[in-house]
Amino acid sequence: SQQGEEDPQALSIQEGENATMNCSYKTSINNLQWYRQNSGRGLVHLILIRSNEREKHSGRLRVTLDTSKKSSSLLITASRAADTASYFCASRRETSGSRLTFGEGTQLTVNP
Amino acid sequence: NAGVTQTPKFQVLKTGQSMTLQCAQDMNHNSMYWYRQDPGMGLRLIYYSASEGTTDKGEVPNGYNVSRLNKREFSLRLESAAPSQTSVYFCASSEVLTGPYGYTFGSGTRLTVV
Repeated sequence: SQQGEEDPQALSIQEGENATMNCSYKTSINNLQWYRQNSGRGLVHLILIRSNEREKHSGRLRVTLDTSKKSSSLLITASRAADTASYFCASRRETSGSRLTFGEGTQLTVNP
Repeated sequence: NAGVTQTPKFQVLKTGQSMTLQCAQDMNHNSMYWYRQDPGMGLRLIYYSASEGTTDKGEVPNGYNVSRLNKREFSLRLESAAPSQTSVYFCASSEVLTGPYGYTFGSGTRLTVV
């Protein structure tokens, strides 16, 4: 089964609104990462949060990690139409070396 | 521009044909990976190479083989293609010795097996 599961599967919002996506995982991790994929393109790394961190910011992105609940959230503030993409969380398990396990993704649509 | 280059971008194969997907990175990364992406299933790891000279199976290795030709190149071979291998294939690389860092992905190979 997938280590990471995103929620919701799809999200549609208006420009200027905030978008929140959630991710759950099953086993202990070293770090958790978020990626963006525009339609027909490869994935692009957005942000990484280590297991001993609780929150991290990068521009309009805010990621939180709750290891007790085995969950993470990605918040995109003041969304733009250009943020329309699929967003994936990926976890690096303590026992998996450098390998990442990806979730199924959240499709975000930002309407102008 | 530095990054991961995959070739070809598109391919149509007949059942039973073979082909090799090529991947090269110019970032001096130690680790390289092959994933497949199917609708509704996210990305699944096929094979990976933690360092030059080593390869290991991932989650879905059946029907595939890999070669880590050198530090830059990591190829994926389908010996006898099947319709179930219709997918989008992504190669990625990462630097783990000084990390952790995220992966850098190629733009993908869209493979259709008929």
